[in-house]
Amino acid sequence: DAGITQSPRHKVTETGTPVTLRCHQTENHRYMYWYRQDPGHGLRLIHYSYGVKDTDKGEVSDGYSVSRSKTEDFLLTLESATSSQTSVYFCAISEGDQETQYFGPGTRLLVL
Amino acid sequence: GENVEQHPSTLSVQEGDSAVIKCTYSDSASNYFPWYKQELGKRPQLIIDIRSNVGEKKDQRIAVTLNKTAKHFSLHITETQPEDSAVYFCAASIPPGGYNKLIFGAGTRLAVHP
Repeated sequence: DAGITQSPRHKVTETGTPVTLRCHQTENHRYMYWYRQDPGHGLRLIHYSYGVKDTDKGEVSDGYSVSRSKTEDFLLTLESATSSQTSVYFCAISEGDQETQYFGPGTRLLVL
Repeated sequence: GENVEQHPSTLSVQEGDSAVIKCTYSDSASNYFPWYKQELGKRPQLIIDIRSNVGEKKDQRIAVTLNKTAKHFSLHITETQPEDSAVYFCAASIPPGGYNKLIFGAGTRLAVHP
């Protein structure tokens, strides 16, 4: 597997609390992505980054923010978690445009 | 925006049979189409991909075909084995200017019975 780690791997939190998920890569890839995976919906893009401090929205960005201050780290923040954000979150990286995306191991988030 | 539909949602075959999964996309400018396999509790992993300048690509028991006119692409697995059991996702790139964004299909759960 490509050098991608996600932390935490599992988290249980309460509605209204802030949550930050971290994606860390050792591949020095330019592009990083955050997806959520829910039954019946496949993988949906939340936000992505095409360089340090360069980010943009994906399909389902409402309620989420991201930051990328270093090439290796891409943070996803739920400012005020809701039950609808219960999901499995995957980070992905790719070296270039139109290139293979490699996925991290995922973070399972439960919002009560 | 781009939309990807994937069929069937579930597929059950006997070991040794072939399996075919089909996807359609909406934007004719899409030009990159990867397929991912996801085993239970694991991350999605790329198994094969195809670009719009190619009509077919094969890697051992796995092949992908692309029909740009009809805007659909298919995954073919021959001589299926129990270890092929997983969820398979197709994806299509959002057209140029989209910084390698992908839209995924909803997935196909393949079960291969011994």
